[in-house]
Parts: sequence; structure tokens; C-alpha cells
Amino acid sequence: RKEVEQDPGPFNVPEGATVAFNCTYSNSASQSFFWYRQDCRKEPKLLMSVYSSGNEDGRFTAQLNRASQYISLLIRDSKLSDSATYLCVVNGYSGYSTLTFGKGTMLLVSP
Amino acid sequence: DTAVSQTPKYLVTQMGNDKSIKCEQNLGHDTMYWYKQDSKKFLKIMFSYNNKELIINETVPNRFSPKSPDKAHLNLHINSLELGDSAVYFCASSLGAGEPRWSFFGQGTRLTVV
Repeated sequence: RKEVEQDPGPFNVPEGATVAFNCTYSNSASQSFFWYRQDCRKEPKLLMSVYSSGNEDGRFTAQLNRASQYISLLIRDSKLSDSATYLCVVNGYSGYSTLTFGKGTMLLVSP
Repeated sequence: DTAVSQTPKYLVTQMGNDKSIKCEQNLGHDTMYWYKQDSKKFLKIMFSYNNKELIINETVPNRFSPKSPDKAHLNLHINSLELGDSAVYFCASSLGAGEPRWSFFGQGTRLTVV
């Protein structure tokens, strides 16, 4: 089982749609969780952290279920500029903190 | 000003050659990383240095040798390049070894071995 698994993509949605990405992680000792965004042929950038109580940043809502080891990202009112690959990232600890990345789910928003 | 800069951005080389990728950060961070993103898009950590000290060394062939002359620089030297080394290599930095979440990435070096 991969350490961080995400929905295979790509997701093709029209502008204005709501889209949800799912992610599961295998290490129950994982400490913190994030979503990164990676545009085509660019570097990954932190989109938002994910907190146990759930958190929102504008059109983006992240949820964490530690019992199920499940993380989600909801994007409302999709914009063309949201087209990118969304990476689920888990911060574990094995001596030192390390980030473990999922493969990513590509989102394509069309006019 | 670019926070984390890598050079070169593209590198095409023949099998068997030795090449280096340079990375510099101007954020004053203590910790720097090298990641590899292969053709299947998985981004995996290779090495991490904290204040010039190697702290993470994942299962990477010993043809790969990182060097950190100071905490603002982390270079990656690769000997005897193989076809399977073709990938995008990202340098990153974070404030400290305990906070990789706040990682800033360089723009990547796209290495193609022919």
C-alpha cells in the first residue's frame, strides 16, 4: 500500500463546478497534513494546511479524519486558474520530519 | 527576488557523464532538501541538510552526492549518469528540520539522460 494515495485523475469540470479530492494515508503516526498545488512544469506550492476541525480558505475547504486516515479538499466555484495538479502531503516523523507526497490529482477546469 | 533558485533549469546529457545541480536559498532557512519527481510524478525526498549537516539520506544510489558548503547552498552531484536518472529534481528549503511543511521549492531542474 502506498503511503499517500489519491484519486487518479484527471478531473474535468466546467467553470463554476464544485469538485472534491480524496486522499488516504497509511501511517497512523502522521502528524500534520497539507494540500500542495503544482502547475504544469512548475514547482509545488503550499495551498493550505489541513486541521482536525476542518478549515476553509476562500473557495477551498480541507477536512481531516484521523480515525479513517482520510483527507479531503473541496473546491467551490471552480475557476480556469484552478487547473493544476493537487498534491496531498503528509508530514511524518522518523527521526526527522519529512514530507510524503501523494501522486497528485490533476484538475482541468474548462470554460 | 527568487527565494530558492536552482541551476540549470534544463540539463541534457549522455549516459556515463557526471553533472552537478546547484541550489541557493535567500530565505535564511536552516534546512534544505533535494527531491526527485520521476515520470510517474511521484515527488520523493532524497536528502536533507540542516545547518550543513546531512540529516536525511533516503535510499539513493551512492552516485548521488549532496554537498552543502553553507546553509544557504545545497548542491547535488551525480556520477555516471544512467537513463533512469532522468527526472525533475527539486531543491527546497524550510525554516527548520522540524517544519518541512513550510517548504519553499525551487523551480526544478529537468534532467534528461540520453
